[in-house]
Amino acid sequence: AQTVTQSQPEMSVQEAETVTLSCTYDTSESNYYLFWYKQPPSRQMILVIRQEAYKQQNATENRFSVNFQKAAKSFSLKISDSQLGDTAMYFCAFMKQAGSYQLTFGKGTKLSVIP
Amino acid sequence: DGGITQSPKYLFRKEGQNVTLSCEQNLNHDAMYWYRQDPGQGLRLIYYSQIVNDFQKGDIAEGYSVSREKKESFPLTVTSAQKNPTAFYLCASSIVVAGGPRQFFGPGTRLTVL
Repeated sequence: AQTVTQSQPEMSVQEAETVTLSCTYDTSESNYYLFWYKQPPSRQMILVIRQEAYKQQNATENRFSVNFQKAAKSFSLKISDSQLGDTAMYFCAFMKQAGSYQLTFGKGTKLSVIP
Repeated sequence: DGGITQSPKYLFRKEGQNVTLSCEQNLNHDAMYWYRQDPGQGLRLIYYSQIVNDFQKGDIAEGYSVSREKKESFPLTVTSAQKNPTAFYLCASSIVVAGGPRQFFGPGTRLTVL
């Protein structure tokens, strides 16, 4: 079974600054996908970024980037130039490459962007 | 618009009653999922279905039931056997695209047991 751990229950960052959210996971799989989802106060789950484990290059999406360390089983999210709209819960999630494509989630990090 | 709809947005249930949460998608996705979210917890998988007329238990299936009679619909019934049903319920569907699978979520249903 897979487990996902987010060790920071809450974080805050000043507007326009950079913040990094941590995520570690445990799996015996060699091929898999990793995701960061954002859940704003509306509670809609929004995909922020994803990483294929077989790719060494870290994924980027505009202000969002990841630091994927496969050997260390670490998958952190960096948000640059933080905006007030980034205030949300952020969930790290794991998906096996084959099978049901179900997601295993961490418990989340509550991020507050301070004006 | 294409997407996933869940209804109702808020649902209240008396103890001992069964209640059904609706999930509909017009994305033509084969696979659908139900997750439960509790405060301070991540999402946990209740049931999933990869094709019509077939579904599998997830990590916390006890006290829940599902059906998948149509590709577009995957309703979840919370039975009286579920000891602590008050939670936020999210439905999702997935598709495999270039680069791998993607999962999309509905807006959720908040269930409160009175």
